[in-house]
Parts: sequence; C-alpha cells; structure tokens
Amino acid sequence: SQELEQSPQSLIVQEGKNLTINCTSSKTLYGLYWYKQKYGEGLIFLMMLQKGGEEKSHEKITAKLDEKKQQSSLHITASQPSHAGIYLCGADEETSGSRLTFGEGTQLTVNP
Amino acid sequence: SQTIHQWPATLVQPVGSPLSLECTVEGTSNPNLYWYRQAAGRGLQLLFYSVGIGQISSEVPQNLSASRPQDRQFILSSKKLLLSDSGFYLCAWSWTGGFYGEQFFGPGTRLTVL
Repeated sequence: SQELEQSPQSLIVQEGKNLTINCTSSKTLYGLYWYKQKYGEGLIFLMMLQKGGEEKSHEKITAKLDEKKQQSSLHITASQPSHAGIYLCGADEETSGSRLTFGEGTQLTVNP
Repeated sequence: SQTIHQWPATLVQPVGSPLSLECTVEGTSNPNLYWYRQAAGRGLQLLFYSVGIGQISSEVPQNLSASRPQDRQFILSSKKLLLSDSGFYLCAWSWTGGFYGEQFFGPGTRLTVL
C-alpha cells in the first residue's frame, strides 16, 4: 500500500518568514491533495495536484508536484499567525478505489 | 450549498460500553462517505468508506462497524469499546465520479474511553 512521509513533523517560525513542507510518496502519485487542520476541527481542503510539474497557488500558499510525481512541497510566503495549524498531504493511487492515504501531518506554529 | 454534521461533539464512555456516532450530509445526493480516526492530532487513519447505501468497505479490522441506512447518513458503531478506541473521529464526504480526493470534513467527535 502507499505510504506518505511528511517533513518536518513540526515547524516553528517567526511571522513574516517563508517556510516549506514536504510530502514524499513511496509510489507514483495519481493525485496529491493538501489539507489544513486547526486543532480539534475538521480538515479544510487547500489544493489538488495531478500532473507532474504542476504548481498551484492560493493566496500566499503554493504547492508543487515534482515531475516524477512522487514528491510534493507546500510553500508559505510571509507566514502569518493565521497559517498556524496542521498541514496534511493526502494521496491516491489509480487503483485505490475512492479513498485517500494521508501523511502524519506537519504541525506549524507561527509566532507573532 | 452542502453541509456535513457530526454528533456528538464530545463523548466520554466507559470501557465495554456501546458506541454510536452519527454523520449526516445535506445539499448533495449519493456522496461518497468516509469515517477516519485521528490519534494525537496527527495523521488520519481511514476506517470505513461507502460509495452507496448499504455499501461499506472496511479498511482496518477492529471492533468498530459502520452502516449507511440512508443516502446521506453514515453511522459508526461499536458493541464494546476498548481503551484504544479513544481518539478524534472525523466524517467526510466527497463527490462521486472520480473526484473523491477533494473531501469535505465534519467538525469531528472527540471520544474518550475510560
């Protein structure tokens, strides 16, 4: 089965700094999904990447999928306290049948 | 617009007691439905998913079960809770037709088994 490894596990940055979170798959990705979760709440969908080399942006968050479709990165520019939370990547295989596998998450803290 | 509800929000149950968590979706028809468990605020473990009424796929063998008695209702149950069942339970839905990667999550139920 597919495994996703996220790094780092946790990250503490000063407000205004840039940061990157990585998600690496043990298999070729059919689709890669980034979610954000605030503590004690449900997940919020951020972005979906499907094509090798694809890059998408939403406000100050940019996600990329590498050409080989086995690694994705999430980059936040000029971080703000509102960016704090847990970021999880989810992935599916072409034969996964309507379900996703999630990484362990990256806990982001942004200090004002 | 679509909304997803979960209840209860929090639950404290003794070991050996039964469990019933409910999830309902409004504003869509024939959604895919999912139950996840999250331990220690980290990664999600998929427990069950359903692509239609009465169709349940189990991902992890354990003392939990799921049912989908109606199109937009998904229930997670147990006859006897274990200490290891404690965690944060999340219900989610997605569109059918291949767009299951974008999932919409409920607010979650925090279960503590004592």
